[in-house]
Amino acid sequence: GAGVSQSPSNKVTEKGKDVELRCDPISGHTALYWYRQRLGQGLEFLIYFQGNSAPDKSGLPSDRFSAERTGESVSTLTIQRTQQEDSAVYLCASSFRDGLQPQHFGDGTRLSIL
Amino acid sequence: EDKVVQSPLSLVVHEGDTVTLNCSYEVTNFRSLLWYKQEKKAPTFLFMLTSSGIEKKSGRLSSILDKKELFSILNITATQTGDSAIYLCAVSSGNTPLVFGKGTRLSVIA
Repeated sequence: GAGVSQSPSNKVTEKGKDVELRCDPISGHTALYWYRQRLGQGLEFLIYFQGNSAPDKSGLPSDRFSAERTGESVSTLTIQRTQQEDSAVYLCASSFRDGLQPQHFGDGTRLSIL
Repeated sequence: EDKVVQSPLSLVVHEGDTVTLNCSYEVTNFRSLLWYKQEKKAPTFLFMLTSSGIEKKSGRLSSILDKKELFSILNITATQTGDSAIYLCAVSSGNTPLVFGKGTRLSVIA
């Protein structure tokens, strides 16, 4: 596709439920990143995928968070047993492998936990 | 720990003014510094800087990097209301996650 696509654009759910967020990167981009942006804050790194290498999970805030990526395409971020502090915009970005090109972002999923 | 600090945190100007946004950083294995503009949704890419002293320009926006003093500035001349946004600075150590500053919220008043 022309850009990074994320779905859903908005998600409202009750505390304790599981949610799944989806990201379709730009075609040909082997690197894929998930970030979280809380209200009024900068972007926090969550997890990074590069090709078939093991993902860098160093930014995941707890074991309730996990992510998968199928090859070099779609990724899903799963949050289990959601808490109110999980409310944020979840942004996905992708880039070419060599790191010499900028990351391009999707529009994000705005997650609200009631 | 890698760190990016942006200033000011917020700024209100009138249309036609010139603004300068600041970004300082501490990072191991610096590769590049990036500026993004964030309006309501996705941060959109503005500039990627890798070399000191070389100005990058796009219309009324320009940016320059000083790798000795570890900072960058983003200039916007003849500001317009459409320039109102959060401007994000980030640094990269290569093919790794970006480290972002908290952003500068710019409001341009007609």
